[in-house]
Amino acid sequence: DTEVTQTPKHLVMGMTNKKSLKCEQHMGHRAMYWYKQKAKKPPELMFVYSYEKLSINESVPSRFSPECPNSSLLNLHLHALQPEDSALYLCASSQAGHDTDTQYFGPGTRLTVL
Amino acid sequence: GENVEQHPSTLSVQEGDSAVIKCTYSDSASNYFPWYKQELGKGPQLIIDIRSNVGEKKDQRIAVTLNKTAKHFSLHITETQPEDSAVYFCAAPPNAGKSTFGDGTTLTVKP
Repeated sequence: DTEVTQTPKHLVMGMTNKKSLKCEQHMGHRAMYWYKQKAKKPPELMFVYSYEKLSINESVPSRFSPECPNSSLLNLHLHALQPEDSALYLCASSQAGHDTDTQYFGPGTRLTVL
Repeated sequence: GENVEQHPSTLSVQEGDSAVIKCTYSDSASNYFPWYKQELGKGPQLIIDIRSNVGEKKDQRIAVTLNKTAKHFSLHITETQPEDSAVYFCAAPPNAGKSTFGDGTTLTVKP
């Protein structure tokens, strides 16, 4: 199984809502990532978890709050988002977060903030 | 940090022709170079990668070449098919887990 799953596929939320994005992998990977991708742009790294600990936070605003409950799950909690936060949010995982590890991406959650 | 430049930004070829996409990188210590294909509405999928101890790797119609001296690596797709139409991203090797992606190439294969 080389699949990373993400739910929901689509999400529409108002600026005062609180919602969560979910990501799951069963490949035994110990590194998990959140990326943000705007239309016609490459993915931009937001957070990296390595062995369930937050190892990289790319100066992301606090309205995005990641959580890694266990080695298979990764959540992204959203609160008080802005319309410019509308994007495709991608989750990825890799074996251990080493420089030569292959990253496997999920299909993404298409987020629209009204 | 690592800087990756990808060219061209768009590429249109006739079915059956070859397509070549090139990326240059700045960090001479880099040692892992993946290529991703992203179809509309989907996440990027790894299609081929190469490590710095080899100069070329091939998988059926797809090949990647690496020139460490010139600090560039290229994706070669032969006998292109309409289903090869997608956005292709190169990525510089992750540094402490951080990948740097090229800006992407939109490949269109015309039947």
